[in-house]
Amino acid sequence: SQQGEEDPQALSIQEGENATMNCSYKTSINNLQWYRQNSGRGLVHLILIRSNEREKHSGRLRVTLDTSKKSSSLLITASRAADTASYFCATDEGSARQLTFGSGTQLTVLP
Amino acid sequence: EAGVVQSPRYKIIEKKQPVAFWCNPISGHNTLYWYRQNLGQGPELLIRYENEEAVDDSQLPKDRFSAERLKGVDSTLKIQPAELGDSAVYLCASSFPGQGRNTIYFGEGSWLTVV
Repeated sequence: SQQGEEDPQALSIQEGENATMNCSYKTSINNLQWYRQNSGRGLVHLILIRSNEREKHSGRLRVTLDTSKKSSSLLITASRAADTASYFCATDEGSARQLTFGSGTQLTVLP
Repeated sequence: EAGVVQSPRYKIIEKKQPVAFWCNPISGHNTLYWYRQNLGQGPELLIRYENEEAVDDSQLPKDRFSAERLKGVDSTLKIQPAELGDSAVYLCASSFPGQGRNTIYFGEGSWLTVV
C-alpha cells in the first residue's frame, strides 16, 4: 500500500518557472523524504525533512512539512529542462526501518 | 564509491518461465531492500534484509517469489513461474543505519516484461 499521495499527478511548466508539488500522508512519521526518478533510471534521494522541522532548503529545492495537516510540499525554483523527471515523496513511519512511497508527480519542464 | 549494482537491466520472458535478478549493495550497507515499481506508480516494498536476515517480507508473494541474501551482501530475487502481471521494474536499494535515518540508495532497476 502507498502512504503518500502526490498532487498534481502531472505538471508541465516553462523553463525558469517554479514548480510546486504536494504530498499528503496518513499516519505519524519520523521523517519525510523526496526522491527524483529520471525516465528509465533508479530513484535518487533529494532531501530529507524530520518531523520536528518545518522547512528545509537545498540549492534550488525548498521543502516544507506541516505535521498537523500531514502534508509536505517540494518547491523547485528557476526550473531547468534537466529537472524533467518524476518526483516521489516517501515517509518513514514509527520504528519500521523502511520507506513508503507515494505515486509520484511527473514534472515536465519545457525549454 | 560504487552505487547499488543490479543485473540484468532488461529481461523479456514468456509467462510461466523463471527469472532471477541480482543485486550488489553499496559496500558497508547492511540493510538491503527489494522494491517493485509498476508503470506510473511509486515503488512498493517486497522484502527488506538486515544483514542476511529477512526482517520484513510481508509484501512478498511467497507462492512464486523468493529471495535470498547469502553472507549478508549480494542478494537474488527470483520469480517462478512468472505471470503477465509481474511485468514491472524491480528495484534494489541499500542503506546504512544512522546515515540520515533511512536515506535509501537505489540501483538502476531490472525491467521485466512478461509476454
